[in-house]
Amino acid sequence: QSALTQPASVSGSPGQSITISCTGTSSDVGGYNYVSWYQQHPGKAPKLMIYDVSNRPSGVSNRFSGSKSGNTASLTISGLQAEDEADYYCSSYTSSSTQVFGTGTKVTVL
Amino acid sequence: QVQLQESGPGLVKPSGTLSLTCAVSGGSISSSNWWSWVRQPPGKGLEWIGEIYHSGSTNYNPSLKSRVTISVDKSKNQFSLKLSSVTAADTAVYYCARGNVVPAAVNWFDPWGQGTLVTVSS
Repeated sequence: QSALTQPASVSGSPGQSITISCTGTSSDVGGYNYVSWYQQHPGKAPKLMIYDVSNRPSGVSNRFSGSKSGNTASLTISGLQAEDEADYYCSSYTSSSTQVFGTGTKVTVL
Repeated sequence: QVQLQESGPGLVKPSGTLSLTCAVSGGSISSSNWWSWVRQPPGKGLEWIGEIYHSGSTNYNPSLKSRVTISVDKSKNQFSLKLSSVTAADTAVYYCARGNVVPAAVNWFDPWGQGTLVTVSS
């Protein structure tokens, strides 16, 4: 299975909004509403930020939102803050009953 | 709340077998969840390795399937990973994670263990 495709890096100034894309196929992202997003700070374990395309777990800021169109899912961070600087990964369930992660995106707050 | 903790050797020789265990606390491994292993080579992205249900059912990443075995020990509330014929390319931080279950699928991973670095070197 091939990793989902994400941009290597995205940057924005404090207060701005940024969007990270996650492109797969009809066998994963496009076929199921089981896309999740994870935030990872250096040396730390990933943290669940969004599940089922657009749902936020309890405790996650409402500045984080998710959506999907066809084979591409997106994570939007609004009101960008310094603490949002991290790596972000998408993940999807697949038609083979497996999981696949995205290539990862480094978010830089300018 | 549920917590996961990985343990095992930090150094494995090439061609050997990597063995790790994930201890589950604050909850039962027999709950309706799948239990996964995920790895991350230094400076690279996440790679899903595979998962197990308390019944013993497993799913594996096709690219690793020939070398991976995941097992569960309900009496110890833990699950384990074995990766055979390792090379330097298997050097990574290995995480265990709980997979949430919806009908016929796992839709997210939470919580995660802190991760353990395994280096393959002679």
